[in-house]
Amino acid sequence: DIQMTQSPSTLSTSVGDRVTITCRASQSISGWLAWYQQRPGKAPKLLIYKASSLESGVPSRFSGSGSGTEFTLTINSLQPDDFATYYCQHYNSYSVTFGQGTKLEIK
Amino acid sequence: QVQLVESGGGVVQPGRSLRLSCAASGFAFRSYGMHWVRQAPGKGLEWVAIIWYDGSNEYYADSVKGRFTISRDNSKNTLYLQMNSLRAEDTALYCCARGIIDHGMDVWGQGTTVTVSS
Repeated sequence: DIQMTQSPSTLSTSVGDRVTITCRASQSISGWLAWYQQRPGKAPKLLIYKASSLESGVPSRFSGSGSGTEFTLTINSLQPDDFATYYCQHYNSYSVTFGQGTKLEIK
Repeated sequence: QVQLVESGGGVVQPGRSLRLSCAASGFAFRSYGMHWVRQAPGKGLEWVAIIWYDGSNEYYADSVKGRFTISRDNSKNTLYLQMNSLRAEDTALYCCARGIIDHGMDVWGQGTTVTVSS
C-alpha cells in the first residue's frame, strides 16, 4: 500500500507569511495527488487536484507542485481564514490514501 | 445546489451493525463514483471505501474489509454503508464524498457520527 507522509505536522505562522507543506509518497504516484483544507467542525474542501490544478473558486494564493514521490502545497500571503488543517491525498480508481495532516497555527 | 446529506449514525454496542445513508441532490448521482471517509475524534481523515458510478466495483480500506459494505441505489440517488461487527476503533464522523477519477473528492457531506461503545 502507498503511504503518504506530510511535513511538518504543525506550523506556527503569521498572517501575510508564505508557507510550504510537503507530502511524500512511499512510491511514485505520478501526478495523482490532491490537497484539502479542513477548518474545525467543517467538511474538507478540495483545493488542488492532479498535483497542480487549482479547484474552481479557490484563491490563487494556493498552489501545488510536484510529481513522482514529492509534492508541495504553497500558500502565499496567508490570510486569517487559512489557519486550518491541510491534507494531501493520493487517489486512483480503487484506492485513496490521506496524509496525516498539517495544522497551521497562528504564531 | 449540489448537496450530500448523511444519516443513520448513532451509538451502538461492539459487535453490532449499523447502516449509514447518504442522500445526493443537485447533480447526476449515477455519473459519479462515491466514497465514504471517516474521521475519529481529534484525528485525521481516513478513507473507508469507494464504489464506482454504476456500482460495478467497490474497494475498501484494509481496516474495514470484510466488515463494511458500500452500495448505492442510483434510482434513489442514495449511497449506503453497511457496517457489521463494529469495533470501538470504528467510532468516528462518517462523511460521504463525490469522487472524480482525475480530480479528487470535490463535494462532501457534513457527516454522521458513529459511536461504538458498551
